[in-house]
Amino acid sequence: GAVVSQHPSWVICKSGTSVKIECRSLDFQATTMFWYRQFPKQSLMLMATSNEGSKATYEQGVEKDKFLINHASLTLSTLTVTSAHPEDSSFYICSASPTGNQPQHFGDGTRLSIL
Amino acid sequence: RKEVEQDPGPFNVPEGATVAFNCTYSNSASQSFFWYRQDCRKEPKLLMSVYSSGNEDGRFTAQLNRASQYISLLIRDSKLSDSATYLCVVNPSGNTPLVFGKGTRLSVIA
Repeated sequence: GAVVSQHPSWVICKSGTSVKIECRSLDFQATTMFWYRQFPKQSLMLMATSNEGSKATYEQGVEKDKFLINHASLTLSTLTVTSAHPEDSSFYICSASPTGNQPQHFGDGTRLSIL
Repeated sequence: RKEVEQDPGPFNVPEGATVAFNCTYSNSASQSFFWYRQDCRKEPKLLMSVYSSGNEDGRFTAQLNRASQYISLLIRDSKLSDSATYLCVVNPSGNTPLVFGKGTRLSVIA
């Protein structure tokens, strides 16, 4: 089945650090990947849609200059949290699908803790 | 009206019980429907797709009523390992972001 790999799975770093999270589709190509964020006891919230070879589409309220997305190949999208602060601490998850109407498959998620 | 609504629970049921979750969605043009399961501090995992004809996978049965914009999940003979949050998920069209319900928490008790 379709596999999505996300790395790293856990990050703890100081305030002001930039953190890069990778999302890879291992056995299929994905022109589109999605980035979500989930705070404790809350539902998944879509942050942005990552489009291969073009700019990402950000949801309202998500700062594009703070959350940099790069989708340079059909199997890799990266999310960089720039100058992270404690309020950015959250669970970040990516998803991708081989084709439009197939279910999305999620990466394992990245738990980000900013001290 | 929220795009995808489901009862947050929690549902606390004994082992062996049958439990049903319901979900409604607002976009009548939505194309595909899923139930995902999310364990605490983990990513969501696909449980099953939902079809108009209804579909069954072992102890799990999912049904879709397009006219009523209603989706259900039935779990028979509940196991302790079924304890999780169950997410009702709708795909509006093609390769667009999924729309998630807030999830229904299930606790199966010995």
